Amino acid sequence: DAKTTQPPSMDCAEGRAANLPCNHSTISGNEYVYWYRQIHSQGPQYIIHGLKNNETNEMASLIITEDRKSSTLILPHATLRDTAVYYCIVGSSNSGYALNFGKGTSLLVTP
Amino acid sequence: GAVVSQHPSWVICKSGTSVKIECRSLDFQATTMFWYRQFPKQSLMLMATSNEGSKATYEQGVEKDKFLINHASLTLSTLTVTSAHPEDSSFYICSAPPAAGNTEAFFGQGTRLTVV
Repeated sequence: DAKTTQPPSMDCAEGRAANLPCNHSTISGNEYVYWYRQIHSQGPQYIIHGLKNNETNEMASLIITEDRKSSTLILPHATLRDTAVYYCIVGSSNSGYALNFGKGTSLLVTP
Repeated sequence: GAVVSQHPSWVICKSGTSVKIECRSLDFQATTMFWYRQFPKQSLMLMATSNEGSKATYEQGVEKDKFLINHASLTLSTLTVTSAHPEDSSFYICSAPPAAGNTEAFFGQGTRLTVV
């Protein structure tokens, strides 16, 4: 079973921030939080990852709670092309990076 | 960043035939690669781990004689679906662990297999 819990679907208006939550209450100390997204019929695309600190890159920001039991992916200005299924995954070198995908959140960005 | 290339992107084959899918790491060496399968409207499920120079390890419920994996070099892993049946129709995706200096895995583009 996946070690993360995400809402099955979310909507977001184009241009607004999309905040995608994820619970990972059983995360262990050496596991990273990864976010990938999958646009229909394509391979997963890496977005961002973090261990303890909040992270930001050109695609998104990742906010990790202090206890590391949950995180939020933020797409600051969602566009229609951000419509995809977003997966929150925990993993580490201990698992050899064999990622255990849950059901993810289907994000629909509307005009 | 590291690139994983998968080929073909789609294939249609007749029942009973075999299909080979290739997964290449383009700018780094991968001693391990992972193969996933995704049915429509479902998530990715790990099928097997491909190990360079040794036997692949399969997840529970995946038939090793049906899904043959070969990892003969540090840049190429292949998945062969033998004696394909319509129920094998799926989206197959490979990935490689992080290259040196990275901590994120990268995925191929996926292969859509349709067995008719």
